[in-house]
Amino acid sequence: EDQVTQSPEALRLQEGESSSLNCSYTVSGLRGLFWYRQDPGKGPEFLFTLYSAGEEKEKERLKATLTKKESFLHITAPKPEDSATYLCAVPSGSGYALNFGKGTSLLVTP
Amino acid sequence: KAGVTQTPRYLIKTRGQQVTLSCSPISGHRSVSWYQQTPGQGLQFLFEYFSETQRNKGNFPGRFSGRQFSNSRSEMNVSTLELGDSALYLCASSVDGPANYGYTFGSGTRLTVV
Repeated sequence: EDQVTQSPEALRLQEGESSSLNCSYTVSGLRGLFWYRQDPGKGPEFLFTLYSAGEEKEKERLKATLTKKESFLHITAPKPEDSATYLCAVPSGSGYALNFGKGTSLLVTP
Repeated sequence: KAGVTQTPRYLIKTRGQQVTLSCSPISGHRSVSWYQQTPGQGLQFLFEYFSETQRNKGNFPGRFSGRQFSNSRSEMNVSTLELGDSALYLCASSVDGPANYGYTFGSGTRLTVV
């Protein structure tokens, strides 16, 4: 069965303190790995899709990377507005659903 | 471009009642999926519809059902509500399924069962 595991569950950073979130997956034949950001009381917001090992994508202070077994979301010099839950997901076997990890709750304090 | 619209935003229901949630996808998106989100279980897939056909269903009891209309709008229904059904219900739309381009999510319906 496809599995997506995110770590840590929660992370507290000082403003400006860079760190990385991890998403490890076990799927047969990866067809893409998705990162989303979710603010409290809202739906997840799409950030990145990565398709092959070695691929990297950047958006402002965020950079996502992909290996054959895991993905990292690097946050450089975070600001309080980066506080949110970050979710990763991979397509199910059928391709008609995404299997989500349980997320990393990030808090960035001033 | 309008996003995914879910109504209502909040609902309070009593155990044993039934509830219907509505979702209007982004124009041109023919795939609509539903997820249940709870603090303990995270996002769990309920079902996916494409052109009025259910293509995939998650591991939920038969009390959870859905449908899609010819204009791609979708509804989900939960009958005989239980306390454990309290959750954020999220609708997500995509052009032809999430595998290629992922989803755009709505803001969700917060269901509280008392």
